[in-house]
Amino acid sequence: KAGVTQTPRYLIKTRGQQVTLSCSPISGHRSVSWYQQTPGQGLQFLFEYFSETQRNKGNFPGRFSGRQFSNSRSEMNVSTLELGDSALYLCASSFWGINEKLFFGSGTQLSVL
Amino acid sequence: TQLLEQSPQFLSIQEGENLTVYCNSSSVFSSLQWYRQEPGEGPVLLVTVVTGGEVKKLKRLTFQFGDARKDSSLHITAAQPGDTGLYLCAGERGTSYGKLTFGQGTILTVHP
Repeated sequence: KAGVTQTPRYLIKTRGQQVTLSCSPISGHRSVSWYQQTPGQGLQFLFEYFSETQRNKGNFPGRFSGRQFSNSRSEMNVSTLELGDSALYLCASSFWGINEKLFFGSGTQLSVL
Repeated sequence: TQLLEQSPQFLSIQEGENLTVYCNSSSVFSSLQWYRQEPGEGPVLLVTVVTGGEVKKLKRLTFQFGDARKDSSLHITAAQPGDTGLYLCAGERGTSYGKLTFGQGTILTVHP
């Protein structure tokens, strides 16, 4: 069974640009969560999608958005990039997203110059 | 405000030594999870503790959940170089909808 796949693995952007990251969950998983990991703040929850609906959202500005498609694949978008957005972005999937084991992908390392 | 305080942040020990990592909070969690993350990879779940006072063992790793479900600890016996990595505790509160609150992590280095 394939794991959670995130693309691309590495991304370099400049301030002001926008970026789209992709996540393919484990087959059969319908919940996809996104996290930002930085050395200073650690892992912080961005949002969660289930059946194409956002059910939960963390404390991030509106520049961070996401969506989920009917095949459960998810994308997150960051507009007007800032230097502080440099981070490892991780997605995790599970069947229902409620009190169950999360399976994380290897992440997308975003560098904003 | 960090809801989960993890300590120590860094731990450098020799092979064969024992160690304990702590995860503390003033909030009650419905469950506490421990993850291990290696460079360039996502976190991998080690264990989930749900019941206050629960103790779980995974080979040389022992996990405890506090009676009040506000704190947890991870104890490793006879550490090996293969235990090197970032250890993270994460708590769930209520109906999580994919949201975990993570501690800052403990970077463990075990020297041969």
